[in-house]
Amino acid sequence: AQTVTQSQPEMSVQEAETVTLSCTYDTSENNYYLFWYKQPPSRQMILVIRQEAYKQQNATENRFSVNFQKAAKSFSLKISDSQLGDTAMYFCAFMKHVTRSGGYQKVTFGTGTKLQVIP
Amino acid sequence: DAGVTQSPTHLIKTRGQQVTLRCSPKSGHDTVSWYQQALGQGPQFIFQYYEEEERQRGNFPDRFSGHQFPNYSSELNVNALLLGDSALYLCASSRLAGGPGELFFGEGSRLTVL
Repeated sequence: AQTVTQSQPEMSVQEAETVTLSCTYDTSENNYYLFWYKQPPSRQMILVIRQEAYKQQNATENRFSVNFQKAAKSFSLKISDSQLGDTAMYFCAFMKHVTRSGGYQKVTFGTGTKLQVIP
Repeated sequence: DAGVTQSPTHLIKTRGQQVTLRCSPKSGHDTVSWYQQALGQGPQFIFQYYEEEERQRGNFPDRFSGHQFPNYSSELNVNALLLGDSALYLCASSRLAGGPGELFFGEGSRLTVL
């Protein structure tokens, strides 16, 4: 079974500064996907960024980027130029790759990091 | 384009009762997953439906059951409610074909069991 660990329950960052959220995972799989999801106080969870394990290049999405270290099973999220709207719970998540078309997409989530952006 | 919609948004039940939660997936999506999110925790996978069948199941007792209809909408049923069933229940939809896609979540149904 896969596990996802987020060791930082809460973090804070000044507006316009950079913050890094940590995530480690455990799996025996070689092909898989990693995600960061954001859950603002309004509760609807949205995808921030996705990384395919077979890709060595780290994913980036505007102000969001990841540092994916496959051997270390580490997947951190860096938020640059933090904005007040970034205040939310951030969940790291894992999905096993399956070979049949699409597959059945069970996602395993970590316990989350509560990020507060301070004006 | 409507996203994932869930109903009801809030409900209060007493121990031993039964509850039904409903979910309409995002347009074009055919797979629905249900997650339980206890306060301060990450979502826990309950089960997933595709083609009106349960395809995967997490570590939840048989009191948790579901259904998917021909229009891809889904229901989650919980029987014999326990205090520990109090949580936010999230529905997520995705499209099975074309590889592992993004999960789109609804805003959830907040269940309180007294």
